[in-house]
Amino acid sequence: KQEVTQIPAALSVPEGENLVLNCSFTDSAIYNLQWFRQDPGKGLTSLLLIQSSQREQTSGRLNASLDKSSGRSTLYIAASQPGDSATYLCAVIKAAGNKLTFGGGTRVLVKP
Amino acid sequence: EAQVTQNPRYLITVTGKKLTVTCSQNMNHEYMSWYRQDPGLGLRQIYYSMNVEVTDKGDVPEGYKVSRKEKRNFPLILESPSPNQTSLYFCASSLSPGGYRSYEQYFGPGTRLTVT
Repeated sequence: KQEVTQIPAALSVPEGENLVLNCSFTDSAIYNLQWFRQDPGKGLTSLLLIQSSQREQTSGRLNASLDKSSGRSTLYIAASQPGDSATYLCAVIKAAGNKLTFGGGTRVLVKP
Repeated sequence: EAQVTQNPRYLITVTGKKLTVTCSQNMNHEYMSWYRQDPGLGLRQIYYSMNVEVTDKGDVPEGYKVSRKEKRNFPLILESPSPNQTSLYFCASSLSPGGYRSYEQYFGPGTRLTVT
């Protein structure tokens, strides 16, 4: 059974510092990995999608890497801003299916 | 604007009173699914649909029904809601996976359901 873990569960950083969010998964047979952002009481906003054949994806200040063999992905957010405060979720899709298996999320607070 | 919409956004109901949460997408996506989010348990899939008239159970289907009569709509039905179905519900959609590729999934804004 695929398990996805995000450590730490919560993170607080001063504005301007780079954020490093970790995601690990137990089964390397995945199709892709997707990072989401969730604001309190709100829906999920897709940030980045990495296909299993890719090693990284970039969008603006966001960069996500994927190492399938070690079962890890890292989301980097450069020069954090208070508006980056949210919960960040990673999710994987296992081969031969489209179900997202989610990690528990990392709650991020960026202090002004 | 490409989006997934859900209605209602908030609902308080009583045990046993049938309800339907609607989900609609305007991206011509084949794949649609429902998740529930609970503190400490995260997001779990309830049901999914690969295309019109094709639905299947996810991880926590008990107490729920779905239908997919049109490509754009995927309603979630609770025929006899119970308090343990109090949760935040999300609908999602994507292009249909094929070969060794799957596609970015888009989520609706969520429906907060309270069953008393």
